[in-house]
Amino acid sequence: GENVEQHPSTLSVQEGDSAVIKCTYSDSASNYFPWYKQELGKGPQLIIDIRSNVGEKKDQRIAVTLNKTAKHFSLHITETQPEDSAVYFCAAGFMDTGRRALTFGSGTRLQVQP
Amino acid sequence: AAGVIQSPRHLIKEKRETATLKCYPIPRHDTVYWYQQGPGQDPQFLISFYEKMQSDKGSIPDRFSAQQFSDYHSELNMSSLELGDSALYFCASSLGTGTTFFGQGTRLTVV
Repeated sequence: GENVEQHPSTLSVQEGDSAVIKCTYSDSASNYFPWYKQELGKGPQLIIDIRSNVGEKKDQRIAVTLNKTAKHFSLHITETQPEDSAVYFCAAGFMDTGRRALTFGSGTRLQVQP
Repeated sequence: AAGVIQSPRHLIKEKRETATLKCYPIPRHDTVYWYQQGPGQDPQFLISFYEKMQSDKGSIPDRFSAQQFSDYHSELNMSSLELGDSALYFCASSLGTGTTFFGQGTRLTVV
């Protein structure tokens, strides 16, 4: 089955700095890579996703890059704000007729210092 | 916009009791997933349904079962509860090959 590794496990940055979280996946068949933000006691909230036919996607301060050959993808948050503090999960899945479930990374706790 | 609705939000049960968690997916979403998240852990996939049929199975214990009904809502039934079953249980839904949205979860505490 799929295995997703995520680094770092914790990340502390100053407000206004950039944050980068990296993930690798094992199953070359995976074609869908979402990122979720989870605040304490809440459900994971989708913040951005990318499919394997795209190398990069950007949404305001958030961007995701995908390297299919190396099987890794990264989340980039620019101009971080205290409200960005949360746990971030990457995930990999195969979105086709099989509707295979997502496999999550172990999470990164991001702390943005004011 | 409508989101994934889960009930109850909190549940306290004693060991060996039974619990039923409910999930109402986003309208017109055809796939429902159940995940379990322990403290400080990532969500672990339990089971999924596509058009009311079980489509995929993860690390779901034999003591647990789930089904999806004609109105597309889903229920996760958990029997012979153990202390280790205490966790957040999330339901998620998706449409076709679209993105997966999560509910706010049910926090189950087994005492």
